[in-house]
Amino acid sequence: DAGVTQSPTHLIKTRGQQVTLRCSPKSGHDTVSWYQQALGQGPQFIFQYYEEEERQRGNFPDRFSGHQFPNYSSELNVNALLLGDSALYLCASSRQGPYEQYFGPGTRLTVT
Amino acid sequence: GENVEQHPSTLSVQEGDSAVIKCTYSDSASNYFPWYKQELGKGPQLIIDIRSNVGEKKDQRIAVTLNKTAKHFSLHITETQPEDSAVYFCAAALQDKFYFGSGTKLNVKP
Repeated sequence: DAGVTQSPTHLIKTRGQQVTLRCSPKSGHDTVSWYQQALGQGPQFIFQYYEEEERQRGNFPDRFSGHQFPNYSSELNVNALLLGDSALYLCASSRQGPYEQYFGPGTRLTVT
Repeated sequence: GENVEQHPSTLSVQEGDSAVIKCTYSDSASNYFPWYKQELGKGPQLIIDIRSNVGEKKDQRIAVTLNKTAKHFSLHITETQPEDSAVYFCAAALQDKFYFGSGTKLNVKP
């Protein structure tokens, strides 16, 4: 049983560009949450998708958007990249409700 | 929203000793408290969790306790081993949003 997978592993972008990160949830999971983890800090909740809709959102600007597909996979899009967007972006999958979230390995985004 | 504080930020123990990491949360409506272990270059790995209707849970060398009145919960690792060295995060779930602590870097010296 494959766990949560994310692509790409690493990404380097220039300030002002746009980026798309991808996530495939663990088998049997229908909910995907995205987190931003700055160096030396805990993950910060960006948003959560269930039934192809954004259900919850953290304190992130509209430059951060997402999508969930019918097969439960998800994308995170970030527009107008800032240097401060450099971080590890983590995807976590779960069943809907207060259930265990399992994380993928993350995508390391560097904005220059 | 919820605010989770975690202490200590670093912890160094001798192999075989016990390690304790403590977290506090601010919103009494939080109902689920997982603990994650994160190794360098990897995503967080769920190691144990506890729900608000339970006071203690144990899984081999790892245990978690929850005090709802005081709004704090703790991770206990007994008989530590070098492979326990990692960064540990606590989290509190409020309305399906997970709020994480700032992490504890555990170093187990052989």
